[in-house]
Amino acid sequence: AQSVTQLDSHVSVSEGTPVLLRCNYSSSYSPSLFWYVQHPNKGLQLLLKYTSAATLVKGINGFEAEFKKSETSFHLTKPSAHMSDAAEYFCVVSTTSGTYKYIFGTGTRLKVLA
Amino acid sequence: NAGVTQTPKFRILKIGQSMTLQCAQDMNHNYMYWYRQDPGMGLKLIYYSVGAGITDKGEVPNGYNVSRSTTEDFPLRLELAAPSQTSVYFCASSDTISGNTIYFGEGSWLTVV
Repeated sequence: AQSVTQLDSHVSVSEGTPVLLRCNYSSSYSPSLFWYVQHPNKGLQLLLKYTSAATLVKGINGFEAEFKKSETSFHLTKPSAHMSDAAEYFCVVSTTSGTYKYIFGTGTRLKVLA
Repeated sequence: NAGVTQTPKFRILKIGQSMTLQCAQDMNHNYMYWYRQDPGMGLKLIYYSVGAGITDKGEVPNGYNVSRSTTEDFPLRLELAAPSQTSVYFCASSDTISGNTIYFGEGSWLTVV
């Protein structure tokens, strides 16, 4: 069975400092992993995805994530936070056995302090 | 680039009323989904479809119905609305060719009073 755990429900950083949002997953199959961002009152937007190619994945707006199979982790990072990064972030694992289903983490709310 | 389009964006329903949330996608995706998002929670799958004429229940299907008569459209029907159905609803679609990336609509905010 697949599952995903976002280790922090809230993260606060100062503008210009690094961002780290943590995600651990469990999967019986080779997983596809995603990070999505949700700004207030908006839908979910894809930041980046891992689909068994390069383990370091670069996404939009300077975000990147590293797939570590040994640690079953897919943490999201950004070198320097911007005020516009304040949002909710979701880690998602998809199943690839039969029909495509997606398991969502409970989200991490990122606050960026001026 | 319309992507996934949901209507309405906001709706207030009285207890016991019924309504349909509309969803359309123009990407020719086979898979479509309805999720609900409650405050401070992740997304819960209500129903999904793997193609026209084929639907199946997700984690929280009670109180909802769906149909998929075309590839493009996947409406969600709420029968006998209850306060527990107050939530934000997201329609989404995906396709194996796109690397199974899932694309979301902007959401529908529903309040049952």
